Amino acid sequence: KAGVTQTPRYLIKTRGQQVTLSCSPISGHRSVSWYQQTPGQGLQFLFEYFSETQRNKGNFPGRFSGRQFSNSRSEMNVSTLELGDSALYLCASSLLTSVGNTEAFFGQGTRLTVV
Amino acid sequence: AQSVTQLGSHVSVSEGALVLLRCNYSSSVPPYLFWYVQYPNQGLQLLLKYTSAATLVKGINGFEAEFKKSETSFHLTKPSAHMSDAAEYFCAVSSNTGNQFYFGTGTSLTVIP
Repeated sequence: KAGVTQTPRYLIKTRGQQVTLSCSPISGHRSVSWYQQTPGQGLQFLFEYFSETQRNKGNFPGRFSGRQFSNSRSEMNVSTLELGDSALYLCASSLLTSVGNTEAFFGQGTRLTVV
Repeated sequence: AQSVTQLGSHVSVSEGALVLLRCNYSSSVPPYLFWYVQYPNQGLQLLLKYTSAATLVKGINGFEAEFKKSETSFHLTKPSAHMSDAAEYFCAVSSNTGNQFYFGTGTSLTVIP
């Protein structure tokens, strides 16, 4: 069974640019959530999608957005990049059999560096 | 609101010694608790999870954790540390509204040969 696939693994962007990250969840999983991991802030929740609808959103500015397609693949977009957006972005996929009682399977992440 | 607190950002143990990583939770409802491990430049891998079925939870790689409601704790243990256990460990609690996890700040485990 294939795991969670995130592409690309590494990205270098310039301040002011925008970036799109992709996540393909495990087959059959309809819930996808995104996290930002930095040394200073740790793992912070960005947003969650379930059946193409954003269900939860973390405390991030509007520059961070996402979407989910009918095949459950998800993308997140960051516009007007800032140096502080440099981080490991992790995607998690879940079967979500019942609310809360689930486990998240994580991809290897996309390492974004903003210069 | 749910949250977890990990005590000790760095833990060092000798190879073969007991591993104890501490996690305390705060939750207004019975929580679902998890331990994840992260190796350098990798995503998170689930070690074990507590879902109220049993207070002592056994996970992969010889790890286990005990849920203690009276102490609001979910500490991770392993009887004998291996060099391959060196990694970052995260305790997490899931929300009641979906696939959202609240993570602790992590504990970096070093195993000394």
